[in-house]
Amino acid sequence: QVQLVESGGGVVQPGRSLRLSCAASGFTLRSYTIHWVRQAPGKGLEWVALISFDGSNKYYADSVKGRFTISRDISKNTLYLQLNSLRADDSAVYYCARQATLSTFDYWGQGTLVTVSS
Amino acid sequence: DIQLTQSPSFLSASVGDRVTITCRASQGISNYLAWYQQKPGKAPKLLIYAASTLQSGVPSRFSGSGSGTEFTLTISSLQPEDFATYYCQQVNSYPITFGQGTRLEIK
Repeated sequence: QVQLVESGGGVVQPGRSLRLSCAASGFTLRSYTIHWVRQAPGKGLEWVALISFDGSNKYYADSVKGRFTISRDISKNTLYLQLNSLRADDSAVYYCARQATLSTFDYWGQGTLVTVSS
Repeated sequence: DIQLTQSPSFLSASVGDRVTITCRASQGISNYLAWYQQKPGKAPKLLIYAASTLQSGVPSRFSGSGSGTEFTLTISSLQPEDFATYYCQQVNSYPITFGQGTRLEIK
């Protein structure tokens, strides 16, 4: 069955870096556009980034542009989000999600928590 | 960016009640709107896409309507498992944006 499993979260100091992973199973990343969405504690959902099914297009929210980088390893069927120059307001649960009909998200991972704190 | 405003932000209701949540977009988005349900500590779950199409496996007591700038999510008869937070999402243009959420609690 379709599954997305995030990992790599943790506590990191401001200005440092972290790499999140999203391992996909039950489908191939070659066929689906994948997004990252985050949710700060007690807050709403914020779209972060996407990588298209063919890997040719990557888009980012203005709040992370220039600091975060989305990539993937097809051989591992795994997606990555490199988080650089982290700030306190980047603290959130980060979800990866598969794009379905009309760009909605039909499958989500369980999320991985990133806490940026000194 | 397209802003989505949900109302109300908080809703208290009883099992069996009919409830409606509204989502207003800052500009027209045709029918490029989805609704999600999120329970504490869990990922969001897709309920409705294209404003009114029920996602496979979602109970028929959920329905959506609207087009352009005003949309609604209706739950015809609340069940205990429906108490959660609901988000609308526009997928008309990037960046994709979400409403601020409507928290539905048991009265």
